[in-house]
Amino acid sequence: KAGVTQTPRYLIKTRGQQVTLSCSPISGHRSVSWYQQTPGQGLQFLFEYFSETQRNKGNFPGRFSGRQFSNSRSEMNVSTLELGDSALYLCASSADRGEQYFGPGTRLTVT
Amino acid sequence: QKEVEQDPGPLSVPEGAIVSLNCTYSNSAFQYFMWYRQYSRKGPELLMYTYSSGNKEDGRFTAQVDKSSKYISLFIRDSQPSDSATYLCAMIRRSGGYQKVTFGIGTKLQVIP
Repeated sequence: KAGVTQTPRYLIKTRGQQVTLSCSPISGHRSVSWYQQTPGQGLQFLFEYFSETQRNKGNFPGRFSGRQFSNSRSEMNVSTLELGDSALYLCASSADRGEQYFGPGTRLTVT
Repeated sequence: QKEVEQDPGPLSVPEGAIVSLNCTYSNSAFQYFMWYRQYSRKGPELLMYTYSSGNKEDGRFTAQVDKSSKYISLFIRDSQPSDSATYLCAMIRRSGGYQKVTFGIGTKLQVIP
């Protein structure tokens, strides 16, 4: 099976702009989770989608949003970018047992 | 107090050494335990998945869970320079029809040739 794919892999944006990241899960996986990873904070949970519904949400401001489509592909959007949003954004899809399989990530740099 | 505690290291060992990586947790509701390996500028890769106390072996890797002590470990035998990476523990608890995954901050391992 193909793994989790994320696009784009790298992104440079300016403060105040918005960005949309995309994730395609492993075929057959219905759950997609998003994480922000920074050196000091580690992996921080953003949200989880299951069958097009947000099932769980972390402690991030409303500027961070996401959605899931009927084919399980997911997007996350960050509006009004801040310098502190610079991070590696990881998408993970889950099998029935709950273990998560990660994509390669999108490295976002905000200048 | 964090739900999952993991020493960030770095941990440096000579090639061929046995490596021991550990995490402790405070919430007894965690039921499933995982270890991930993450190379620099890559996504985490699932190494081990366990759900019961005891040991699980896969090649040079052994995952150990002690639910009574709320402690999990990953042992790497005959460590190789290619094992140099950050290792993250992760734990799952299920409640109300959904699950929550909590990660440790990761331990950076360097295996010196």
